[in-house]
Amino acid sequence: DAGVTQSPTHLIKTRGQHVTLRCSPISGHKSVSWYQQVLGQGPQFIFQYYEKEERGRGNFPDRFSARQFPNYSSELNVNALLLGDSALYLCASSPRGGGEGNTEAFFGQGTRLTVV
Amino acid sequence: AQSVAQPEDQVNVAEGNPLTVKCTYSVSGNPYLFWYVQYPNRGLQFLLKYITGDNLVKGSYGFEAEFNKSQTSFHLKKPSALVSDSALYFCAVRDGGGGNKLTFGTGTQLKVEL
Repeated sequence: DAGVTQSPTHLIKTRGQHVTLRCSPISGHKSVSWYQQVLGQGPQFIFQYYEKEERGRGNFPDRFSARQFPNYSSELNVNALLLGDSALYLCASSPRGGGEGNTEAFFGQGTRLTVV
Repeated sequence: AQSVAQPEDQVNVAEGNPLTVKCTYSVSGNPYLFWYVQYPNRGLQFLLKYITGDNLVKGSYGFEAEFNKSQTSFHLKKPSALVSDSALYFCAVRDGGGGNKLTFGTGTQLKVEL
């Protein structure tokens, strides 16, 4: 079975541009979460989507947005990129997302975003 | 608010020796605790979790972790370290009261030397 897949793997953007990152969860998983991992730090929670609805949002500006599609894949969008947005963006999928937090999240390989 | 502390940025151990990577947590409800490992330029791989039950949890690749409620700790252990265990290890907590948000520590770099 395929794991969590993310695309692209690497991306270079210029300040002020917009970026879209994509994630396909493990087959049968309905919950997708996004995390930002800045070099030297642990992942920080950005969003969680379950059954196409936003179920959680971290402390990130409105430049960050996301959505989940009927096939449970997800996109993370970041507008007006700043140098500080340079990071590894991780997508995680879980079977459920309705508050049953005892299941582990499965992570993709991440998208390395560099803003210049 | 939930939080995780990993007090050691780096742990060095000789191959064949036991290893311990420390983690303490803070959460308002019952804690769900996780350990993940990250190899260079890769995502996170799940190692083990504590939800309820026995305080000693066994996971992948010979790793185990001990949950201590009174000390709010969840230390990762392995009886005999391998060079291939060298990686970045993250402890994470989720509030058992609901939601899927994981809060991670800052990570501990494990270096196993011959």
